[in-house]
Amino acid sequence: KNEVEQSPQNLTAQEGEFITINCSYSVGISALHWLQQHPGGGIVSLFMLSSGKKKHGRLIATINIQEKHSSLHITASHPRDSAVYICAVRAGSGTYKYIFGTGTRLKVLA
Amino acid sequence: NAGVTQTPKFQVLKTGQSMTLQCAQDMNHEYMSWYRQDPGMGLRLIHYSVGAGITDQGEVPNGYNVSRSTTEDFPLRLLSAAPSQTSVYFCASSYGGTLSSYNSPLHFGNGTRLTVT
Repeated sequence: KNEVEQSPQNLTAQEGEFITINCSYSVGISALHWLQQHPGGGIVSLFMLSSGKKKHGRLIATINIQEKHSSLHITASHPRDSAVYICAVRAGSGTYKYIFGTGTRLKVLA
Repeated sequence: NAGVTQTPKFQVLKTGQSMTLQCAQDMNHEYMSWYRQDPGMGLRLIHYSVGAGITDQGEVPNGYNVSRSTTEDFPLRLLSAAPSQTSVYFCASSYGGTLSSYNSPLHFGNGTRLTVT
């Protein structure tokens, strides 16, 4: 079993829909990252969380440390949101071990 | 501000050839790292560095060498390329380094697509 699991693996939505991507992990962490990888291949950091909730524009990320679970929400989805969303955790403290999920491929249709 | 710059973007090698993937950052980041991305798998750490002169192995280090002579540069060397090293390679950096408990966002380069025939 992977230490970082994402669901769903693939997601197709209509423009305007509310989207949720989930990430569960089984190790102790010092931080959780949400990343976005566009079809061109580049990877950008969306959020870094160690507790609570963060919001940036139409994107919201939450984390529940006790349940070892994080969600990424996209409100009013748009075709330009189509990308692969990757969850990554920094395992423990005092280490640089990052564990990555396999990603959720999102396609938003106009 | 260029961020993290990787070169080349594409490379084709024959089995047994050697090459160096370049990574440079202009953000004065102490932490730099190399990952490979393969279909159906998450990014996997090859090597990382927490400052000039300091490197360590990651999850899949075999067949790769690194060095960190300056804060800015972190090249990845393939000593004798094998078809199993066909992959997309990403360099990433962040603040931290010796302050290993400090968390900061990861900054990625645009990747190098390597094919070994």
